[in-house]
Order: sequence, then C-alpha cells, then structure tokens
Amino acid sequence: RKEVEQDPGPFNVPEGATVAFNCTYSNSASQSFFWYRQDCRKEPKLLMSVYSSGNEDGRFTAQLNRASQYISLLIRDSKLSDSATYLCVVNRWDSGYALNFGKGTSLLVTP
Amino acid sequence: NAGVMQNPRHLVRRRGQEARLRCSPMKGHSHVYWYRQLPEEGLKFMVYLQKENIIDESGMPKERFSAEFPKEGPSILRIQQVVRGDSAAYFCASSLRAGGSYEQYFGPGTRLTVT
Repeated sequence: RKEVEQDPGPFNVPEGATVAFNCTYSNSASQSFFWYRQDCRKEPKLLMSVYSSGNEDGRFTAQLNRASQYISLLIRDSKLSDSATYLCVVNRWDSGYALNFGKGTSLLVTP
Repeated sequence: NAGVMQNPRHLVRRRGQEARLRCSPMKGHSHVYWYRQLPEEGLKFMVYLQKENIIDESGMPKERFSAEFPKEGPSILRIQQVVRGDSAAYFCASSLRAGGSYEQYFGPGTRLTVT
C-alpha cells in the first residue's frame, strides 16, 4: 500500500464551482501535512499546511482527520488559474526530513 | 531575493555517461533536499544534506548515485553511468531549518533525458 494515496482525477469543473480533493495516508506516525500545487510538472509550490483544527486561506480550506488518516482540500469559487495538479504531502516524525508526496490530483477549470 | 536555483534545466546524456546536477539553495538556507519525479509518478525523496554533511540518504539508489554539499558552492547530485531509467525530473529544495515540518522551497528542476 502506498504511503500517500490520492484520486488522480482528472476533475473537470466549470468556473465558480466548488471542488473537493481527498487524500489518505497509511502511516499513523505521520506528523505534518501539506497541500502543494504543481503546474505542468514544474516545481511544486506550497499551497497550505494542514492542521487538526482545520485551516482556511481565502477560497481554500484544508481539513485533517487523524483518526481516519484522511486529509481534504476544498476549493470554492474555482478560477481558471486553479487548473493544476494538487499534491497531498505528509511528513513522518520518524523519517525526519523526507516529504512523502502523493501522485497528485489533476484539476481542470473550464470557462 | 533569488529562490532555489538549479542548473542545467535540461540535460541530455547517453547511456553510460555521467550526469551532474547543481543546486544553489535560497539565501540563508543551509538545508538541501533532492527529490526525483519519474514520468507519471509522484516526487520521491532521495537525500537530505547540510553543509559538508549527508544527514539522510535513505531514498538514494545504492549504486551510481551520490550527493554532496560542500562548504563553498552548490549542492551536487551526481549520477554515474546513467541508464534510461534515470530519465526524470530532479528537484532540489531548501529550508531555513531542519525537519519536514518546515517549508521546503523547490527549485525549477533539472530534466534529465538519457538516450
């Protein structure tokens, strides 16, 4: 079983739609959680960290459920510029420094 | 304020040649990480270095791959006797402090093609 699993998509949504991505992780020792964004296989860029209490940044909301080992990302009022691949990323306390990346979920926002 | 710099951006090597990939971290960052992204795959951690020290190389293939981060100059990822399976995007990241919970800033990557 892979350490971080995501639905690869693609998710095709119209502008203005709300879309949600899910991610599960297999190792209960996981400590830190992130969503990164990658455009056309360019470098990944941090979108937001994910906390147990949930956190929001503008149109983006991230949730973490440690009991279910599940992370989510909600994007409201989708923009064309949101089209990208969204990477679920987990860091385990016992691996110290390695970020463990999911393969990503592809989002295409259409006019 | 320059971000993480990598060069070359594209590198073509024939099977059996050596590939050298360079990474200059963000100003003030002394922690460097290398990741590899194979076609249609997610990024995989390879190695974590601080100046003059390899801290964690658990993701490095056992043979042909080596990394260094000298006191002066960029970090180098070296691949000897490249094979077609080494074709991938190699990303370098740096952070201000150690540990995966601190943001890692990524460079633009080096796309290695082995012919």
